[in-house]
Amino acid sequence: DGGITQSPKYLFRKEGQNVTLSCEQNLNHDAMYWYRQDPGQGLRLIYYSQIVNDFQKGDIAEGYSVSREKKESFPLTVTSAQKNPTAFYLCASSMGSGSYEQYFGPGTRLTVT
Amino acid sequence: GQQLNQSPQSMFIQEGEDVSMNCTSSSIFNTWLWYKQDPGEGPVLLIALYKAGELTSNGRLTAQFGITRKDSFLNISASIPSDVGIYFCGLQGAQKLVFGQGTRLTINP
Repeated sequence: DGGITQSPKYLFRKEGQNVTLSCEQNLNHDAMYWYRQDPGQGLRLIYYSQIVNDFQKGDIAEGYSVSREKKESFPLTVTSAQKNPTAFYLCASSMGSGSYEQYFGPGTRLTVT
Repeated sequence: GQQLNQSPQSMFIQEGEDVSMNCTSSSIFNTWLWYKQDPGEGPVLLIALYKAGELTSNGRLTAQFGITRKDSFLNISASIPSDVGIYFCGLQGAQKLVFGQGTRLTINP
């Protein structure tokens, strides 16, 4: 089955620790994206990557970092610099090259205490 | 940047009723997408619209791309309990999508 996987579904961390969220896709999509969603809120773009070894900051990149070493993988690190990291994190991918239809993973709920 | 307004923010309806929600933008765009998000899950793409005036159906769902290219609506006919969730519109910006704030649909059985 083709799709996007995010793991784990739930993640708990202590304040001050970095944590890396996994996102893998087997859709052969060029572009990948990370969003943050807070309760009752819409989707806010953190980082996106149109091609391997390249990525751009989204609207709320501070306190986050990403890498895109492989086409199918786009991990997100939530650093200790992120002031309010508890949220629902969504990864998405699209074909790229002008195709805007994004397909989302199931999300990871991160709780930092 | 472009402004995208989605309304209503929430809807409370009876099972079997029809639903209508819409999105308007401050600028002209070429693509409108509609997503549905179930609680605790990722959004799922429902309908994609690419041409002004385009009317597209997906089962009980119908979406239209406004003639002015600044708006779109989504209708759900004869709502059922599994229609509960948050519906988002999205339109393309520079290399990325811009999403509306969502319409939360609640259905009373």
